[in-house]
Amino acid sequence: NAGVTQTPKFQVLKTGQSMTLQCAQDMNHEYMSWYRQDPGMGLRLIHYSVGAGITDQGEVPNGYNVSRSTTEDFPLRLLSAAPSQTSVYFCASRPSRVWEREETQYFGPGTRLLVL
Amino acid sequence: SQQGEEDPQALSIQEGENATMNCSYKTSINNLQWYRQNSGRGLVHLILIRSNEREKHSGRLRVTLDTSKKSSSLLITASRAADTASYFCATDAWHSNDYKLSFGAGTTVTVRA
Repeated sequence: NAGVTQTPKFQVLKTGQSMTLQCAQDMNHEYMSWYRQDPGMGLRLIHYSVGAGITDQGEVPNGYNVSRSTTEDFPLRLLSAAPSQTSVYFCASRPSRVWEREETQYFGPGTRLLVL
Repeated sequence: SQQGEEDPQALSIQEGENATMNCSYKTSINNLQWYRQNSGRGLVHLILIRSNEREKHSGRLRVTLDTSKKSSSLLITASRAADTASYFCATDAWHSNDYKLSFGAGTTVTVRA
């Protein structure tokens, strides 16, 4: 198993540009989520999905869109990048069905984004 | 808003010493988890303690949970240089339609050789 993979590892954008951060997992996990990590702030939840076709907002969703067309993939889209979105982005996954619920989340290696 | 808050923010110890960090949270939880993050890497799960447990061990890790005080502690015994990392507590609680993890800002631990 590759676990949770993220691409790209590093990206520089200009203000107003758009991009998609990719996240994929091969563990057949239903629950996937996106966090951003800023210095001194810990991880903050951006968006999450409890299964294909179902997404919901987290703590800091503004400026980000997500979709979940398959169980494996959960891309995060920045439609018009702003300097405030400079951060490290982590994708995570875990099972969510009650009968096999596992509380541990598995994290990807992260994407460092710099918006100029 | 962050549910868990770690204390201290940074900790520097000599190899072989014990490292203790604390986590406080605000609302009722299902469980509390500790994660480690090495510089430039993703988070790795260390240990989970459920709300009905008071203490748990895993190798050189010891976690305690006091739900009456809404606090937890992580003890790393006989520290090694490889333990140098940031440590995060995360509280697992029900929000809206599913359980969600809320992370604190972390404790940066430096183990000096």
